[in-house]
Amino acid sequence: GENVEQHPSTLSVQEGDSAVIKCTYSDSASNYFPWYKQELGKRPQLIIDIRSNVGEKKDQRIAVTLNKTAKHFSLHITETQPEDSAVYFCAARDPNTGNQFYFGTGTSLTVIP
Amino acid sequence: DAGVIQSPRHEVTEMGQEVTLRCKPISGHDYLFWYRQTMMRGLELLIYFNNNVPIDDSGMPEDRFSAKMPNASFSTLKIQPSEPRDSAVYFCASTSRARDYEKLFFGEGSRLTVL
Repeated sequence: GENVEQHPSTLSVQEGDSAVIKCTYSDSASNYFPWYKQELGKRPQLIIDIRSNVGEKKDQRIAVTLNKTAKHFSLHITETQPEDSAVYFCAARDPNTGNQFYFGTGTSLTVIP
Repeated sequence: DAGVIQSPRHEVTEMGQEVTLRCKPISGHDYLFWYRQTMMRGLELLIYFNNNVPIDDSGMPEDRFSAKMPNASFSTLKIQPSEPRDSAVYFCASTSRARDYEKLFFGEGSRLTVL
């Protein structure tokens, strides 16, 4: 099955700086890559996603890039704010295994005011 | 839509007791997933259903765990007997390939503590 690795596991940035979280996947058949944000004690919530036929997608301060050849995708948060502090999970969906989503191990982002 | 609804939100029980967690997926969604989240192992897929049929239960830790989906709007995850190592947050999630382009929506989770 698919294997998703995520780095770093923890990340601290100063407010206003950028944050980058990277994920790699193993199965070239995976075609959908969502990112989830989980605040303390809350549910994971989808913040942005990208399909394999697109290289980059942006939504205000958040962007995701996908490199299919290298099998990695990244989350970029610009002009970080304290409310961006949370755990971020990447995931990959492998159509060869039904509709399963394979999650990374999470990145705990702390934005220091 | 009310989103994915889980109950109970918190459960504290003693080792050996039976635990039943409940989930109502988003109306019209045909996939339902049960995940377990711990600090050590992150988000683990336990089992998922498509059109109420279990598709993959390879993530279910052992025979003490069972899951059912008797209809499109209800699923249960049962642990019997429960053990302290089952303490975790259990999330239910649902999606519809046709409606939401495979976006996965999570419930609020059920935090289980087994003493």
